[in-house]
Parts: sequence; C-alpha cells; structure tokens
Amino acid sequence: DTGVSQDPRHKITKRGQNVTFRCDPISEHNRLYWYRQTLGQGPEFLTYFQNEAQLEKSRLLSDRFSAERPKGSFSTLEIQRTEQGDSAMYLCASSLGGNTIYFGEGSWLTVV
Amino acid sequence: AQSVTQLDSQVPVFEEAPVELRCNYSSSVSVYLFWYVQYPNQGLQLLLKYLSGSTLVESINGFEAEFNKSQTSFHLRKPSVHISDTAEYFCAVSAGNMLTFGGGTRLMVKP
Repeated sequence: DTGVSQDPRHKITKRGQNVTFRCDPISEHNRLYWYRQTLGQGPEFLTYFQNEAQLEKSRLLSDRFSAERPKGSFSTLEIQRTEQGDSAMYLCASSLGGNTIYFGEGSWLTVV
Repeated sequence: AQSVTQLDSQVPVFEEAPVELRCNYSSSVSVYLFWYVQYPNQGLQLLLKYLSGSTLVESINGFEAEFNKSQTSFHLRKPSVHISDTAEYFCAVSAGNMLTFGGGTRLMVKP
C-alpha cells in the first residue's frame, strides 16, 4: 500500500513564473486536501476535495492559486505569477471519509 | 471554528527523561484530536488519534495522549525519550472535514 505521493519534491522558480504540483492520494481515498506550511509554523488549510468536487477553500487561496481533481483521483495545485511570499512547503493529504488524514512528504517551493 | 494552542514552542529534555507536550483546543462542536510528528524536511506522520471511546490513546513507539474534555486538552507524554524522538510535534483538531493545527512544539532530546 503506497502512501500519498507528491511531485516534485523541490521546486525553485523565478518570481512571476507559474508552478504546478501534483498529488496522488492513497488509493480509494475519496477526500484530498492541500495545506501550506511555512518555516516554524503549523500547516494551514488551503482547500479540499471530496471525489472531484472542491468543497471548501480557505481565504488563503488567492486567485493566483487553483486546484483541480478532475477524475476524483490525483490532484494538481497551480500557482500563477509566483511571489516570494509563496515560498513554503505544500502538503497534500488524503482520507477516507475525513476521520483520519494521511499526509505526503510535501513539495518545497522556493521563489527567487 | 476550531483553534489549537501548543503552549511550548520548544522543549529541551535529556535522553531517558520523561516529557509532556501540551495542547489545548477550542471548539463549539465535538472534535477529533490528533498528534502528528514531523522530522526535518519531511511531511507529517500520524502519531496517534482520539476519535471516541477510551480517553487515553497510545502510539506504537511509547507515546500516549489523554483527552480531557473539561480542560479541553490533549497533552502528549512519553515516560522515557530517545534521541530519535527529536522532531517537531503538531497537535490538530478536526470536526470531521479538515484539520486545524497548532503552531508546533520542537522536542529536542539531548544526550
């Protein structure tokens, strides 16, 4: 049984560029979550999906951020026109029904 | 809405000593409670959880936490820590849809 898989693990990009992260949840998990974690802080909720439906979005998710889960399996998180303040670790997680949430290894983004 | 407060940002302790990492939460509804551990440059690993039933829950590596509803707390304890327990520990609450995390406690185990 594989866990939550995220790709790429590390991304360095220039300010103003677009970046996309991919997440493959645990097989058969219907819920998928995105969190953001900055250095020295706890993870902050960004958005979550139940199957292909995006049910909740945090106000942290500005209009430069978009997340999709087109077939209810993998998900992508795209950040357009990156800013230095977007530098963080982006964590994906999944669950079956929502009681226990399992996290991936995270994708580090550095905007220079 | 829920919130979580981890009262100590850092806890230094000597190897084989006991440790307690404190967590208090606030919620207007019933919640589930979790502790996650994060090693450097890694994601979060589930350490233990309280969903219902016995208020004392244990992990496979010797940690335990007790849910105290009247004090709205879910403190994490271990009677004897190892160097390998050095990590960041996050307390989190959920009302069934998403997790809300505390700011984390860095456990530093010294030889």
